Amino acid sequence: AQKVTQAQTEISVVEKEDVTLDCVYETRDTTYYLFWYKQPPSGELVFLIRRNSFDEQNEISGRYSWNFQKSTSSFNFTITASQVVDSAVYFCALIYAGGTSYGKLTFGQGTILTVHP
Amino acid sequence: DTGVSQDPRHKITKRGQNVTFRCDPISEHNRLYWYRQTLGQGPEFLTYFQNEAQLEKSRLLSDRFSAERPKGSFSTLEIQRTEQGDSAMYLCASSLGFGTGGGNTIYFGEGSWLTVV
Repeated sequence: AQKVTQAQTEISVVEKEDVTLDCVYETRDTTYYLFWYKQPPSGELVFLIRRNSFDEQNEISGRYSWNFQKSTSSFNFTITASQVVDSAVYFCALIYAGGTSYGKLTFGQGTILTVHP
Repeated sequence: DTGVSQDPRHKITKRGQNVTFRCDPISEHNRLYWYRQTLGQGPEFLTYFQNEAQLEKSRLLSDRFSAERPKGSFSTLEIQRTEQGDSAMYLCASSLGFGTGGGNTIYFGEGSWLTVV
């Protein structure tokens, strides 16, 4: 069975602060993908990043960066110099990349990020 | 707009009535997924299609739920004899087949909110 845990239910920061959202996962599969999605109040899940299990290289995209560590089964997400527009619910998700279960993303509970001006 | 589109965005219905949601995936995507999300939770997998074939169904999908994807294009999700517990957001998503270049990303629509009164 797969499981994704986002231990932080809510985080509140002031604009320009850096913030890290934690994600820990459990899977017995060796081939899998990890995702981060952003869900603003409108409801749409906005894709942020995909990482496969064989690629532990960290990634930076503008103010966003991701740290994937297979040894600790973690895929953490950092926003540098946060902005009010970053306020949303962020989800970490895992999908098995072999066999037929390609459609079953397992999501964490989500972290509500509020950035105050 | 070439993203995943869902209709209607909001639906209020009386208990016992039937409702149908429609999803139009990104045009070249052959995989289509349905998820359900309740307040404060991450999305939960319901079912997915590859072209017109429904390949996997969750135990969450009771006999009152049926999904179709005729001709492998748009999809419908019907809920018969709605119950208050069906109140949730129903998310549709699409992707290319996994293993193809860039096909490992699942893109979501804005969701269809259902309220059963």
